Amino acid sequence: GQQVQQSPASLVLQEGENAELQCNFSSTATRLQWFYQHPGGRLVSLFYNPSGTKHTGRLTSTTVTNERRGSLHISSSQTTDSGTYFCAIDNNNRIFFGDGTQLVVKP
Amino acid sequence: EAAVTQSPRNKVTVTGGNVTLSCRQTNSHNYMYWYRQDTGHGLRLIHYSYGAGNLQIGDVPDGYKATRTTQEDFFLLLELASPSQTSLYFCASSDWGGGEQYFGPGTRLTVL
Repeated sequence: GQQVQQSPASLVLQEGENAELQCNFSSTATRLQWFYQHPGGRLVSLFYNPSGTKHTGRLTSTTVTNERRGSLHISSSQTTDSGTYFCAIDNNNRIFFGDGTQLVVKP
Repeated sequence: EAAVTQSPRNKVTVTGGNVTLSCRQTNSHNYMYWYRQDTGHGLRLIHYSYGAGNLQIGDVPDGYKATRTTQEDFFLLLELASPSQTSLYFCASSDWGGGEQYFGPGTRLTVL
């Protein structure tokens, strides 16, 4: 079955607005990782966040493992944030990806 | 930061052709993975390995073989390529099975 569900599937923002991306997982995952995929295809790891809250610049990752959910908050969005954001969880030493949230930030 | 490289970056072949995709990681990670990504979707695991000579089957293994020749090198083989295998292929490595994954730049494969 579907291990990881992301929402929304797509999101359009005006530059400067904030965004909250959600990730829900169906298994008893122990670790959650967020990735950003450039429009050209390259994948970049944003957070490796087993639990709690982590910050990097304008990004905040929060993982609540016992509730099987995570979120990625983007504050003061910029046009360069446009792309696709994936969350992935591990289960039995394997990683499962969601289908991503496609973000477009307009100037 | 882990370094994962892939070659070629782009490949075009014909139906029935033979293709080998290469991946090398230089951080002595134990685990290596091959994924495919189709337009509008997340990554799906083809094969993975936890060490030289080891191979584990992923979620979408049909039509693919893989071989881990060394700690650093993991190859994906398509022996009779089909148009359904047109996709973006990523290699990744991690220190352990549930560890943080580091991805290569991807190989875009087109099967005509």
